[in-house]
Amino acid sequence: EVQLVESGGGLVQPGGSLRLSCAASGFTFSDHYMDWVRQAPGKGLEWVGRTRNKANSYTTEYAASVKGRFTISRDDSKNSLYLQMNSLKTEDTAVYYCARDGGSGWYEVDYWGQGTLVTVSS
Amino acid sequence: DIQMTQSPSSLSASVGDRVTITCRASQSISSYLNWYQQKPGKAPKLLIYAASSLQSGVPSRFSGSGSGTDFTLTISSLQPEDFATYYCQQSYRTGYTFGQGTKLEIK
Repeated sequence: EVQLVESGGGLVQPGGSLRLSCAASGFTFSDHYMDWVRQAPGKGLEWVGRTRNKANSYTTEYAASVKGRFTISRDDSKNSLYLQMNSLKTEDTAVYYCARDGGSGWYEVDYWGQGTLVTVSS
Repeated sequence: DIQMTQSPSSLSASVGDRVTITCRASQSISSYLNWYQQKPGKAPKLLIYAASSLQSGVPSRFSGSGSGTDFTLTISSLQPEDFATYYCQQSYRTGYTFGQGTKLEIK
């Protein structure tokens, strides 16, 4: 069974940093692209960024709203995905989901974690 | 970024109704269009990918169509568990933008 479990959320002051983790199990993690997607309270879904797999040089992409502040990394030996968030703003307050690309070539997200809440507030 | 516009933003319907939600892209995205269902407090669930491919395990009452800029999600006969919010997403170009969502409520 595919499982994605996020951790690391919490309350942080504006300008601060936080690192989210996602533990993956039930599939060959190293084969898949992985995404982070967020959802502000009462709002819609926003794609945050993506890391490709080793075969695609672990390249990353980011939404314009987080580029230069957020960094996605992965450790295939630990089946783990990370999101380092720096220079946090109040508008970064959201539930952050770890998400797996289905690998079909159509770049759909076929599995999601349960999400972890990040609150940026003074 | 490619903009995705869903309509309607909300919809009231009854069990057994046929429902259609539309999604329009600001430029052509070929068939790189996905549909997700989200219930309150839960993670989204993939329903349709590549505009019309039904994800494994999803009931056949869900179907998708379209290509280029105009897409539709159809639920052929609403069931009580289908009342939720639905999102489209383009996976054609980085930014991978979502529509604003369509909230489907019980009439």
